[in-house]
Parts: sequence; C-alpha cells; structure tokens
Amino acid sequence: DGGITQSPKYLFRKEGQNVTLSCEQNLNHDAMYWYRQDPGQGLRLIYYSQIVNDFQKGDIAEGYSVSREKKESFPLTVTSAQKNPTAFYLCASENTGELFFGEGSRLTVL
Amino acid sequence: AQSVTQPDIHITVSEGASLELRCNYSYGATPYLFWYVQSPGQGLQLLLKYFSGDTLVQGIKGFEAEFKRSQSSFNLRKPSVHWSDAAEYFCAVGLKEYGNKLVFGAGTILRVKS
Repeated sequence: DGGITQSPKYLFRKEGQNVTLSCEQNLNHDAMYWYRQDPGQGLRLIYYSQIVNDFQKGDIAEGYSVSREKKESFPLTVTSAQKNPTAFYLCASENTGELFFGEGSRLTVL
Repeated sequence: AQSVTQPDIHITVSEGASLELRCNYSYGATPYLFWYVQSPGQGLQLLLKYFSGDTLVQGIKGFEAEFKRSQSSFNLRKPSVHWSDAAEYFCAVGLKEYGNKLVFGAGTILRVKS
C-alpha cells in the first residue's frame, strides 16, 4: 500500500544524545515535511524539502537537522542542541497542496 | 503574519447532536483550506479540502465545511455526531505563493457523550 512510514513509533533518549527519526514514502511525491506537535499548540513546521538534495528551515528548525538524499526518504535528526525535544513528530509528503501524514514518532527525553 | 484560529479548545456534544467546529484565518488572498482529524497517538487524516469553486465542500465520514470569504472562515459541520467522531480536529490553511506550506490551527478536541 502507498503511504508514509515513520519509525520508530516510540523512542527514548538520554539528555545530550542525538537521535534520528526515519520517514519513508512510496507515493512518489516531491515534497516532504517534518512537523512537531505539542499539546494545545497544533503542528509547527520544523523543516521541509521540495525536491531531492534541497531543504529549507521551517518555523522551529533550531536544534534539528535533515537530509534529502533520496526522493523516498527524509530523516530528521534531533540534536542535543534542541532544548525541549520531548514531543510527537509527524512526517508528511505533499501533492498539489494536500499533505499525507505518517503515524508519527513519539520522542521522550529522560 | 499568517495565522489560523480555532477558538474552541474543547467541545462536548451528545451523540446524535449536530456539530460545528470553527476556523478563522488571516490571509489577504483566498487560500487553500483543509480539515484534518487525528485520533490519539496517530497521524492526521484528511477530512475535506477547498481549493476553489463551490464554497460548500463535502468530505468523508459525513462531514462538510463552508468557505465564507467575507468572514475568513471555514467551519466544519456534521448533522449527527457518532461516538467514533471523538478525536482532535485541525484546520489548516495554505497559499500557493508560500510553496503550499500549511499553517495549522491549535486544534479542537471533540468529546462525544452518550
């Protein structure tokens, strides 16, 4: 089935560690996005990529990094510089303005 | 700055009652408009979208929304709510001029009482 696959679904890390969240899509969409979701704040854009080998910062990019080496893959690294990384992270691809979301990854920093 | 407002953080309705969730936006041009639904711990599912044309849009699961340009609103409605509709609902707005990036409202949590 076509869709967006995020892994892992749950992740725990210690303070000071980097962690990478995986996002893979088989929808053949050019654009991909990473959002962060916190209770009562909706979704906030971290990074987005409209084509392979290119990406732009969103509204809350500090402490995060991404790469887009393949059309199908858009991994997000949460670095130790991110001050409050505990959150629910959503990856999406986009086609003609509509977003298609993965199931999300919940990151907890211990 | 672009913004999307969902004034109601929580709404509780009885099963079988009608529902209206409000969404207002602040953009100069006519944007793309979306409603998404999210069950706990899950991703977002598209309910309906408006790009142009008829301002009353039909979506999945019996939902509809009406775009009112004069009020900068895109309210979501359902004539009879089912217990399975309990979830969080997000309004989202995008502009082609901004590369189709969507801005999301803070969400409205719908509770359904039997």
